[in-house]
Amino acid sequence: DTAVSQTPKYLVTQMGNDKSIKCEQNLGHDTMYWYKQDSKKFLKIMFSYNNKELIINETVPNRFSPKSPDKAHLNLHINSLELGDSAVYFCASSQVQGITIYFGEGSWLTVV
Amino acid sequence: KQEVTQIPAALSVPEGENLVLNCSFTDSAIYNLQWFRQDPGKGLTSLLLIQSSQREQTSGRLNASLDKSSGRSTLYIAASQPGDSATYLCAVFAGGTSYGKLTFGQGTILTVHP
Repeated sequence: DTAVSQTPKYLVTQMGNDKSIKCEQNLGHDTMYWYKQDSKKFLKIMFSYNNKELIINETVPNRFSPKSPDKAHLNLHINSLELGDSAVYFCASSQVQGITIYFGEGSWLTVV
Repeated sequence: KQEVTQIPAALSVPEGENLVLNCSFTDSAIYNLQWFRQDPGKGLTSLLLIQSSQREQTSGRLNASLDKSSGRSTLYIAASQPGDSATYLCAVFAGGTSYGKLTFGQGTILTVHP
């Protein structure tokens, strides 16, 4: 069974559209994250949620809105997509901060 | 601001060689350091996690060391195999209120030739 699963894996969309990426973890973890990997392969945190509460918002444009309906899910909604939003978005989870983080397989977003 | 640098950016070796990947970080006030592996089109797999109080961790053919005072970590891979080909990422965690905010290096792309 996949521990951290995210959908869709690939997404090609036009500028200005609104899209969502869904993430679910079946590990019983309390903390979930969204990371972004840009074209230069740098991974940077976007958001961190603990028990459905937003803990970290790393100065991400407010076009990005995470939503955590429960501990096992953290979805990412993006409004008014821009070319610069093209990247790979990784969902991750951990039991508590500071221990092993488990990553999903990524969602490749291409904005045209 | 924490910055993590990995050297070399890419490494190509024949099968069977022992190799060392390097990671350096600018702020020594870390809680732990993790090494990850990323395969093309896949997510990240955690290989080793070293707490700030530890000097090294071992898992199979992998050994990671940490020198917090000098801001350095190395990942040693013994008897490399073609299946080890991947991108290896180093990440540090500051702890405190950072809540899972890992700072990543840009990675070392490793290719092991049969």
